[in-house]
Amino acid sequence: ILNVEQSPQSLHVQEGDSTNFTCSFPSSNFYALHWYRWETAKSPEALFVMTLNGDEKKKGRISATLNTKEGYSYLYIKGSQPEDSATYLCACQYNFNKFYFGSGTKLNVKP
Amino acid sequence: GAVVSQHPSWVICKSGTSVKIECRSLDFQATTMFWYRQFPKQSLMLMATSNEGSKATYEQGVEKDKFLINHASLTLSTLTVTSAHPEDSSFYICSARATTISYGYTFGSGTRLTVV
Repeated sequence: ILNVEQSPQSLHVQEGDSTNFTCSFPSSNFYALHWYRWETAKSPEALFVMTLNGDEKKKGRISATLNTKEGYSYLYIKGSQPEDSATYLCACQYNFNKFYFGSGTKLNVKP
Repeated sequence: GAVVSQHPSWVICKSGTSVKIECRSLDFQATTMFWYRQFPKQSLMLMATSNEGSKATYEQGVEKDKFLINHASLTLSTLTVTSAHPEDSSFYICSARATTISYGYTFGSGTRLTVV
């Protein structure tokens, strides 16, 4: 079992604050990293898929970076809004189909 | 976009009974479906991978006779928890890989199973 770790476990911020979370993973035989946004009672929503070292992806106020050599990815949220409240999951692939998930970072944005 | 519908969203059953969970891909063909479970405060863990028309591949430590997986069509996979026990109480979620979407893995919304 490969260990994918996310930190922090939970985060409480005020509306308007910018925030970031970390996903760290074993870098050997890395294939791809996925970030998901997961609201309670809904399906995880795919945010980004990244494969290359140095990849940076952006979607609105959310962006992510990837360092495959040292085995980490950062997810950034600029100007957090209450609707950003969710659990953010990262998952790493080491072969085409197998995912290893972190335990998620639960974000709560207070109005 | 690709949507996977999972039912039921929650179920309570008596110990010793069987429970079936369905995942349907609504707008794409899913050649491969994955079943995960998540115990409290833990990560999603892969239980098994199923390919349409063939037997599922189970992860180490997952009993294939207890967790029956059927993937008889390109749009439907089912997980049956047979003779459920309280220790099977968990959150079960499926995901599917679309044949036409690169890197595309779509999740269902999950099933909370409580065995009493």
